Amino acid sequence: QKEVEQNSGPLSVPEGAIASLNCTYSDRGSQSFFWYRQYSGKSPELIMSIYSNGDKEDGRFTAQLNKASQYVSLLIRDSQPSDSATYLCAVRNDMRFGAGTRLTVKP
Amino acid sequence: DTGVSQDPRHKITKRGQNVTFRCDPISEHNRLYWYRQTLGQGPEFLTYFQNEAQLEKSRLLSDRFSAERPKGSFSTLEIQRTEQGDSAMYLCASSTLDSDYGYTFGSGTRLTVV
Repeated sequence: QKEVEQNSGPLSVPEGAIASLNCTYSDRGSQSFFWYRQYSGKSPELIMSIYSNGDKEDGRFTAQLNKASQYVSLLIRDSQPSDSATYLCAVRNDMRFGAGTRLTVKP
Repeated sequence: DTGVSQDPRHKITKRGQNVTFRCDPISEHNRLYWYRQTLGQGPEFLTYFQNEAQLEKSRLLSDRFSAERPKGSFSTLEIQRTEQGDSAMYLCASSTLDSDYGYTFGSGTRLTVV
């Protein structure tokens, strides 16, 4: 079993819609969770981190964590074409990454 | 200091040659990480340093790979006897000791082995 799993996509949503990205992890002891965005040909950049169960909001982004279900998600509200990228879920201090979900927001 | 710097940006080498990449982290960051990323995959952890100490090395890393951070500042990643399967983007990232705040990545070095 992979340590961090994501739906590879691609996920396509219309502009203005909510994009929902999901991630599961195998290490029940994980404490730190991160979402990175990676544009094609660029390096990953940190969007959000979350450590406690529940929701964490930052602008149009909301991260959700459920440690009992070993599940973390990222919601992007009012999706814009500029949000089109690959979104990487990362878990634990040693930063294991999922394979990423490619998101396309269509105008 | 504007971020994590990696050099070179691109490297084309013939199979069997040795290559070395350099990473300069953000100056106040104690931790430095190396990852490898191939097309369509997430970054694959290779190794990390806390100051000059190499604290973890991926079991996927063959003995052809070696990394150093001699003075706890910049780091080098060397690949000996390169193979076509080594072609990938090599990413360096750095963080403070409290890595719960995430990492800052460099722009990467793209290696092509021909």
